Amino acid sequence: RKEVEQDPGPFNVPEGATVAFNCTYSNSASQSFFWYRQDCRKEPKLLMSVYSSGNEDGRFTAQLNRASQYISLLIRDSKLSDSATYLCVVNTHSGAGSYQLTFGKGTKLSVIP
Amino acid sequence: DAGVTQSPTHLIKTRGQHVTLRCSPISGHKSVSWYQQVLGQGPQFIFQYYEKEERGRGNFPDRFSARQFPNYSSELNVNALLLGDSALYLCASSLWWENEAFFGQGTRLTVV
Repeated sequence: RKEVEQDPGPFNVPEGATVAFNCTYSNSASQSFFWYRQDCRKEPKLLMSVYSSGNEDGRFTAQLNRASQYISLLIRDSKLSDSATYLCVVNTHSGAGSYQLTFGKGTKLSVIP
Repeated sequence: DAGVTQSPTHLIKTRGQHVTLRCSPISGHKSVSWYQQVLGQGPQFIFQYYEKEERGRGNFPDRFSARQFPNYSSELNVNALLLGDSALYLCASSLWWENEAFFGQGTRLTVV
């Protein structure tokens, strides 16, 4: 089983649609969780951190279920500019100063006019 | 404030050669990590440094090495390059291990 698994995609949605991304992780010792977006041939950029209580940033809502080892990202009212690959990222820190980010393969989103 | 900067942005090398990639973290960030991203995949962890000490190493061969300098900048070295080393190499910095990591624009390495 891969450490971080995401929906394979791609997702092609019309402008204004709501789209949900799902992610599962295998290491129950993982401590922090993130969604990054990556545009074609660019570096990953932090979209938002994910907390157990759920968090929202404008049109974006992220949720974490530690018991199920499941992370989600919801995008409402999709814009053309949301077209990108969305990476689910899990941070496991194993000692003072030590951490490792594990990335999913990414899910590509295309928002269509 | 400057973000994470990497150099060079693009590089073409021949099989068997050696390459050095450089990274300057965000000012005040003491942790630097390196990732390899091949087309169609998410980034794969190579190394993590904190306070100039190696704190983590991914599943990469010994041809890969790195170091962090007193000013917290870092170098990634790859010896005896193989065609399969062609990838985007990403450097990320963070303030502390629990914090978000911020990525540089990457170095695109092509081995021919």
